[in-house]
Amino acid sequence: GAGVSQSPSNKVTEKGKDVELRCDPISGHTALYWYRQSLGQGLEFLIYFQGNSAPDKSGLPSDRFSAERTGGSVSTLTIQRTQQEDSAVYLCASSLIGITYEQYFGPGTRLTVT
Amino acid sequence: TQLLEQSPQFLSIQEGENLTVYCNSSSVFSSLQWYRQEPGEGPVLLVTVVTGGEVKKLKRLTFQFGDARKDSSLHITAAQPGDTGLYLCAGEGETSGSRLTFGEGTQLTVNP
Repeated sequence: GAGVSQSPSNKVTEKGKDVELRCDPISGHTALYWYRQSLGQGLEFLIYFQGNSAPDKSGLPSDRFSAERTGGSVSTLTIQRTQQEDSAVYLCASSLIGITYEQYFGPGTRLTVT
Repeated sequence: TQLLEQSPQFLSIQEGENLTVYCNSSSVFSSLQWYRQEPGEGPVLLVTVVTGGEVKKLKRLTFQFGDARKDSSLHITAAQPGDTGLYLCAGEGETSGSRLTFGEGTQLTVNP
C-alpha cells in the first residue's frame, strides 16, 4: 500500500515569497501531523488534525504559518512571507487513532529560503 | 510541558561494538516509541513500548521501558554500518492524546 507522500521534495524560494507544501496521508488514517526539523535535530511539532475536530495549532511559530486539511485527507501547509529562519525540512505524518498513536512519516519537503 | 531528553546526542563507534541510547523525562508516558531516520527520509517506526518494565527485542536491538514509564533505553548489540542514522524517541502523554513529544535525537555513526 502507499505510504505518506509529500510534495515538492525540495523547494527553493526567495525571502518574502509564499510557499505551499502538500501532504497525502495513508488512506484511512484519521490523524495528520506537521513537523519541522532543522538539520540533524529533533522534530518540532507544528499542527495536528484529527477527523472533523478543530486542529491543534499550538505549535505554529507565527501567524505566517497556516494549514488546512480538505475532505479529511490531503493537507496543505502554507508559509506566507517566508524568512530565512523558515529553512528546514517539513515532515508530515499520519496515524490511526487507537490504543497507541504510531505515526507514519512522509519523506519530507526540504525548504530553502534565500 | 512534557520534555524528553536523549543522550548521547552524538555517538560514533566501530562496527561490532555495543551501544545504549537513553531517553529520559520527569513525566509519565502512556507509551513510548522509537524511530530511526536516515538522511533524506522521514523517521521510520521501530517499536512501541506500552507497559512499565516492558522489554522488546528487534534482532540486535533491545528496547526497554522504565518501570515508572518515564524513561526508555535502546541497546544495540554488535552494531553494523547499516545501523547508522538518527534515533528518535517519542512519548505519548497520559493527557495529550495522539500528540507525541519527540526527543532531540541521537545521531549514531557506525564505522566499518
